[in-house]
Amino acid sequence: EVQLVESGGGLVKPGGSLRLSCAASGFTFSSYSMNWVRQAPGKGLEWVSSIGTDIKYKYYADSVKGRFSTSRDNAKNSVYLQMDSLRAEDTAMYYCARLEGGSGWYYFGYWGQGTLVTVSS
Amino acid sequence: QLVLTQSPSASASLGASVKLTCTLSSGHSSYAIAWHQQQPEKGPRYLMKLNSDGSHTKGDGIPDRFSGSSSGAERYLTISSLQSEDEADYYCQTWGTGVGVFGGGTKLTVL
Repeated sequence: EVQLVESGGGLVKPGGSLRLSCAASGFTFSSYSMNWVRQAPGKGLEWVSSIGTDIKYKYYADSVKGRFSTSRDNAKNSVYLQMDSLRAEDTAMYYCARLEGGSGWYYFGYWGQGTLVTVSS
Repeated sequence: QLVLTQSPSASASLGASVKLTCTLSSGHSSYAIAWHQQQPEKGPRYLMKLNSDGSHTKGDGIPDRFSGSSSGAERYLTISSLQSEDEADYYCQTWGTGVGVFGGGTKLTVL
């Protein structure tokens, strides 16, 4: 059974940093691109970042480019989101998602339950 | 620009059917999409991938009550024999060049 378990969320002051983790199990982790998607309170889903099976392929939403960084450790079956220079508008539930598909078109086939990040003074 | 448009809300009675719509922006009518369900206080769940020709592939354990269809730039999710647990937010999603794109979501109320 595919499982994605996020951790690392919490309360942080504006300008601060936080590192989220997503532990994967039930599949060959190294064979899949992994993503982060967030959802601000009462709002819709917003794609944040993607990291490929080859770590040279990393993509970010414009709203987080230059502030967030994604990485992965295949030995630990984990993907990470380093969030720096946090702003109030980064307050959201952050979900880890496994990317499916190919030939240039992809979708999120599995999701975690999320970890909540609150940016407030 | 690749944009997905959804109506903010929909409602239907218990046991009835409902058809939700996701519209692709101009120039992107050939794109496939995926439908995701988010029940209250839960993480999203993948429902199905839906191609421009209406063919679709559902996720593990998704009931037969859920089906997809397409017409031009519109992608549809039909839920038949509505149950109370179908009350949820439904999001369509596609992929641009290295970018994930979501519609704004439709909140489905089961009356």
